[in-house]
Amino acid sequence: AQSVTQLGSHVSVSEGALVLLRCNYSSSVPPYLFWYVQYPNQGLQLLLKYTSAATLVKGINGFEAEFKKSETSFHLTKPSAHMSDAAEYFCAVSVTGNQFYFGTGTSLTVIP
Amino acid sequence: KAGVTQTPRYLIKTRGQQVTLSCSPISGHRSVSWYQQTPGQGLQFLFEYFSETQRNKGNFPGRFSGRQFSNSRSEMNVSTLELGDSALYLCASSTGQGRAETQYFGPGTRLLVL
Repeated sequence: AQSVTQLGSHVSVSEGALVLLRCNYSSSVPPYLFWYVQYPNQGLQLLLKYTSAATLVKGINGFEAEFKKSETSFHLTKPSAHMSDAAEYFCAVSVTGNQFYFGTGTSLTVIP
Repeated sequence: KAGVTQTPRYLIKTRGQQVTLSCSPISGHRSVSWYQQTPGQGLQFLFEYFSETQRNKGNFPGRFSGRQFSNSRSEMNVSTLELGDSALYLCASSTGQGRAETQYFGPGTRLLVL
């Protein structure tokens, strides 16, 4: 079975601080993993994806994520938070075809 | 390229009615997937259409159905609406060639059932 767990439904960081959003996955097949961001009243936008090439994946807006098979994790990080990073973040695992399993999301608040 | 478009953006219906939502994928994309997003259940996969055929289906009742046209545009229909069907319905498109593909999401249709 495939599933994604995002620890922490709400994360608050100060502007300029490190952002760390956690994602753990369960997959019976080698996983393809994605991070999406959703701004209010908008659809989801891809931040980055892991497709079994490099384990450290760089995405847009300064975000990156590291795939750790031993820990079944794919945590999202950004060295310095910006006010514009405030949004909902979703981790997802691709199963078959285009069926994604999404985590429950983490709402990021950036404190000025 | 134009992005994924969904119409209408907002809908208000009453219990028992039916509703049809539309999704136009990115040009050249043959796969369209539908998701339901609610505060309680998060993002849940409804179904995927590829070349006019349903290729994958999530765990939703038969009241939820869809179809895809030859131009890859897709519609989703919900019959006999229930209060719990109030949600943001998102569609996503891709070329449909594999698991590693990025899905591109539309802005969603927000459905309110009264």
